[in-house]
Amino acid sequence: DSGVTQTPKHLITATGQRVTLRCSPRSGDLSVYWYQQSLDQGLQFLIQYYNGEERAKGNILERFSAQQFPDLHSELNLSSLELGDSALYFCASTPTTGVGGNTIYFGEGSWLTVV
Amino acid sequence: SQQGEEDPQALSIQEGENATMNCSYKTSINNLQWYRQNSGRGLVHLILIRSNEREKHSGRLRVTLDTSKKSSSLLITASRAADTASYFCATDASGGYQKVTFGTGTKLQVIP
Repeated sequence: DSGVTQTPKHLITATGQRVTLRCSPRSGDLSVYWYQQSLDQGLQFLIQYYNGEERAKGNILERFSAQQFPDLHSELNLSSLELGDSALYFCASTPTTGVGGNTIYFGEGSWLTVV
Repeated sequence: SQQGEEDPQALSIQEGENATMNCSYKTSINNLQWYRQNSGRGLVHLILIRSNEREKHSGRLRVTLDTSKKSSSLLITASRAADTASYFCATDASGGYQKVTFGTGTKLQVIP
């Protein structure tokens, strides 16, 4: 158990809909990362937050947005969903945002299926 | 685009054999990490090697780093069926934030 909690574990929704994925980082971790993993694909970095502020942005679509709340949990909002958005979405956390080579702790992911 | 690329994409070996996976990356890095992912599960950290290190061991794992060639290798010795998983390298680029980028992964199958 990494200590990173993601909900829901599985989600099936229709095209055009909007969903919210939730992540609670490990206790004390200030940085939260979101990654997308499509079938047989590597992990695509979406976005990183540190202590409530956006710190780095990757290949995140404009239809997607995220935020980190004062209690450090984070949400990833996916809107106007398309079939191609079906993927495993991971949240991960680290204690800081520095370049000290922190181990990244991953949640078990949220499976999103768009039908 | 992916920073790291693992090679081979897939590897199938017999139990007891050694498995070697390689990772190449494009830009200067501070650290390189290897992660393991069982099918459909979250990634689990295996080992971290810093840019000023050349080799590191952890149990049956041996990691090397060649910054001049921008490459790393992960060796799993005496493989077991339970080692069947995908293995990813992850790099965080020099300077700035810890934007960690993962490679495309090597899918390892260990046949009992």
